[in-house]
Amino acid sequence: KNQVEQSPQSLIILEGKNCTLQCNYTVSPFSNLRWYKQDTGRGPVSLTIMTFSENTKSNGRYTATLDADTKQSSLHITASQLSDSASYICVVCWTGFQKLVFGTGTRLLVSP
Amino acid sequence: NAGVTQTPKFQVLKTGQSMTLQCAQDMNHEYMSWYRQDPGMGLRLIHYSVGAGITDQGEVPNGYNVSRSTTEDFPLRLLSAAPSQTSVYFCASIRFSSEQNTEAFFGQGTRLTVV
Repeated sequence: KNQVEQSPQSLIILEGKNCTLQCNYTVSPFSNLRWYKQDTGRGPVSLTIMTFSENTKSNGRYTATLDADTKQSSLHITASQLSDSASYICVVCWTGFQKLVFGTGTRLLVSP
Repeated sequence: NAGVTQTPKFQVLKTGQSMTLQCAQDMNHEYMSWYRQDPGMGLRLIHYSVGAGITDQGEVPNGYNVSRSTTEDFPLRLLSAAPSQTSVYFCASIRFSSEQNTEAFFGQGTRLTVV
């Protein structure tokens, strides 16, 4: 069964600190992996996209990594801000079937 | 830049009532889908459509109907609301394209409570 698992389920960090969120997937083959940010009461919005051939991609203070051999991705947030408090969802696109497989998300709280 | 417009944002229903959640997109995407999001369970696919006139069931379709008469609109109907349908519902319009371009665009969500 194609699955996407995220850890931790929730995380509390102090403002200004760094953190790393993990995503393990079994979807194969896959087209791409996206990290989405979902603010409370809003729909998810794409942060980064990783394809099979990419290892690292940055978007401001967000850096995503992908290891296609171990089927793991991570999202690193640098110098966290209060506005980073949100759920972060890992989504893998399943090639050929036009399907998206969603992780259950990591809920991040940045505390002042 | 409307993207995906989903209404209403909040709704309270009594058990047994019916209602329709509206979803419209202006990006000319063929693929649209409905998800429900419950605590600890992530987004679960209810129904999806790969184009006007074509719909199919997702993983949790019971109690919901959909139709797709136009590319733009994809309403979700609750036939007889039950407390188990209390959830947050998201409509998504998905661009399945080359590797770099596949992306889902979500509406703002509808928080539904069935009492």
